[in-house]
Amino acid sequence: GEDVEQSLFLSVREGDSSVINCTYTDSSSTYLYWYKQEPGAGLQLLTYIFSNMDMKQDQRLTVLLNKKDKHLSLRIADTQTGDSAIYFCAESPLYNTDKLIFGTGTRLQVFP
Amino acid sequence: DAGVIQSPRHEVTEMGQEVTLRCKPISGHNSLFWYRQTMMRGLELLIYFNNNVPIDDSGMPEDRFSAKMPNASFSTLKIQPSEPRDSAVYFCASSGTGRGGTDTQYFGPGTRLTVL
Repeated sequence: GEDVEQSLFLSVREGDSSVINCTYTDSSSTYLYWYKQEPGAGLQLLTYIFSNMDMKQDQRLTVLLNKKDKHLSLRIADTQTGDSAIYFCAESPLYNTDKLIFGTGTRLQVFP
Repeated sequence: DAGVIQSPRHEVTEMGQEVTLRCKPISGHNSLFWYRQTMMRGLELLIYFNNNVPIDDSGMPEDRFSAKMPNASFSTLKIQPSEPRDSAVYFCASSGTGRGGTDTQYFGPGTRLTVL
């Protein structure tokens, strides 16, 4: 079955770069997503990448996809305290693109 | 667009009571999802609908849970009778047709349920 794994915690200093990693098992995934959840709120889409791409950049966010290793990462440049949140990786399996399989989430804490 | 709307935002009830959570998806979206989030189990997909029809309810924990979508703009998740272990945040999400970015799920703010 499909599985998406993330480390639980990441702590970085303000102004540094953050790298949040994710591994998945379903090689047929069509799209991979990063969502952000702030305290007391729902999940908000940050960015997504199609499975035939290696990289996608969107302002301070860079997504890298290594399809061979089934590894996805999200890099946040110049991390700010407002970036403190839980970040979820999710995949859209080919057999059912309506569904998203979410990882456990990585709690990013940014300290001054 | 107002986004996905959920009500109530908070619900506190006693064990054995019926609980009804409500969701209004984004207008024009044809898929609707109910999730449950807890510290122990993370984010779990309970059920989802496509064009108002339940497609996959394999995540519904047990018969105490039921979900309906009588029309394209409204869905309910009901728990009867509720138990303390049902305490969680319940999210509704909706998505449109198409692929990739247009399949993106947009989440509501969630309903925090506490069963005493």
